[in-house]
Amino acid sequence: DQQVKQNSPSLSVQEGRISILNCDYTNSMFDYFLWYKKYPAEGPTFLISISSIKDKNEDGRFTVFLNKSAKHLSLHIVPSQPGDSAVYFCAAKSGNTPLVFGKGTRLSVIA
Amino acid sequence: DAGVTQSPTHLIKTRGQHVTLRCSPISGHKSVSWYQQVLGQGPQFIFQYYEKEERGRGNFPDRFSARQFPNYSSELNVNALLLGDSALYLCASRLRGAAGNTIYFGEGSWLTVV
Repeated sequence: DQQVKQNSPSLSVQEGRISILNCDYTNSMFDYFLWYKKYPAEGPTFLISISSIKDKNEDGRFTVFLNKSAKHLSLHIVPSQPGDSAVYFCAAKSGNTPLVFGKGTRLSVIA
Repeated sequence: DAGVTQSPTHLIKTRGQHVTLRCSPISGHKSVSWYQQVLGQGPQFIFQYYEKEERGRGNFPDRFSARQFPNYSSELNVNALLLGDSALYLCASRLRGAAGNTIYFGEGSWLTVV
């Protein structure tokens, strides 16, 4: 039973356009959500996070939106750059519990 | 400042052997967790330690064990290795409490079991 789902295994976007990565969750106890970026042969790199008390968090080109009623969050990257090409993981937790990850979405930004 | 450091970065073991993976958390971080990532999946939680005590365990067999040392570094041990244990093993550290919602990962240890 997957508590965190990333239903799009891959996404291709042209350089300069917006990338939107989606994530759904089922556990209403989750109170903190994180996005990680992962290059091959490297560990996940923290990108941006959001608390359940907020509906938006922005950091430079990256914005995360949280819709608690729909149990859905999304990561927007604007403008997309070729260096953004990586696998993006959505993760969630409740308090001090471990992270629960989705399966990831492979983003390809085409020049 | 050093991030989470793991060793070794790559290793190859034979079925039935034992492996020890090591992790040093970010300075000041007292909580360490271990995750296993197999190809095509997200990381799966194995263990969580805080102040040298086990605070959580994922759905992994007893062949997997871990410990945390007084300096907050940690070891993950896997006995009687199976082919299916081949994966990227990730160590993560965080501050505890409200200031510690962000969890940082190391580069991982790639284990291949042949």
